[in-house]
Amino acid sequence: QKEVEQNSGPLSVPEGAIASLNCTYSDRGSQSFFWYRQYSGKSPELIMSIYSNGDKEDGRFTAQLNKASQYVSLLIRDSQPSDSATYLCAVTAAGNKLTFGGGTRVLVKP
Amino acid sequence: EPEVTQTPSHQVTQMGQEVILRCVPISNHLYFYWYRQILGQKVEFLVSFYNNEISEKSEIFDDQFSVERPDGSNFTLKIRSTKLEDSAMYFCASSTQRGDTGELFFGEGSRLTVL
Repeated sequence: QKEVEQNSGPLSVPEGAIASLNCTYSDRGSQSFFWYRQYSGKSPELIMSIYSNGDKEDGRFTAQLNKASQYVSLLIRDSQPSDSATYLCAVTAAGNKLTFGGGTRVLVKP
Repeated sequence: EPEVTQTPSHQVTQMGQEVILRCVPISNHLYFYWYRQILGQKVEFLVSFYNNEISEKSEIFDDQFSVERPDGSNFTLKIRSTKLEDSAMYFCASSTQRGDTGELFFGEGSRLTVL
């Protein structure tokens, strides 16, 4: 069973602080890694993709990938109340199927 | 901005009835998907579709499920005889490239309630 694991949270951060989210995956053949944001009752919205080891920055978001440790993380800098959502880690091996983690709920407090 | 559209947004049906959920993927996308999310649980892959055929399906996608692209724009998911456990949010998604190299764009979902 190929698994993607995340801490369910909630991760409570004060406005303006850094939120740090972690994700581990079990399939060593995984090739592509994604972070989606999901507001309650809404669909997943892609915020970051990362395909190679290291860091990738996009605005206030930084994704980090370590394939040797089978670990991917997401940092949200200068957290805003609008960042309050569930963040889903998703992984693909060869093929089309995205395997999602259960998500980490983030609460940004003003 | 192009988007994936889904109808209906919410459907209530009786157990044993057939349901068809409809999706219009983004126009230049080639790969189409259905995922579902039972309330409070993970988003789960159901099926991927490319070049007018299923390219991959999960264990969930059994004989009661089928997909079709009947007219070159719509992409449908049919559940032949609904069960209580089919109650979930069903998301359609599309991409320009295969899922391991491309990014999926999700529709807003169709909430199915089976009574």
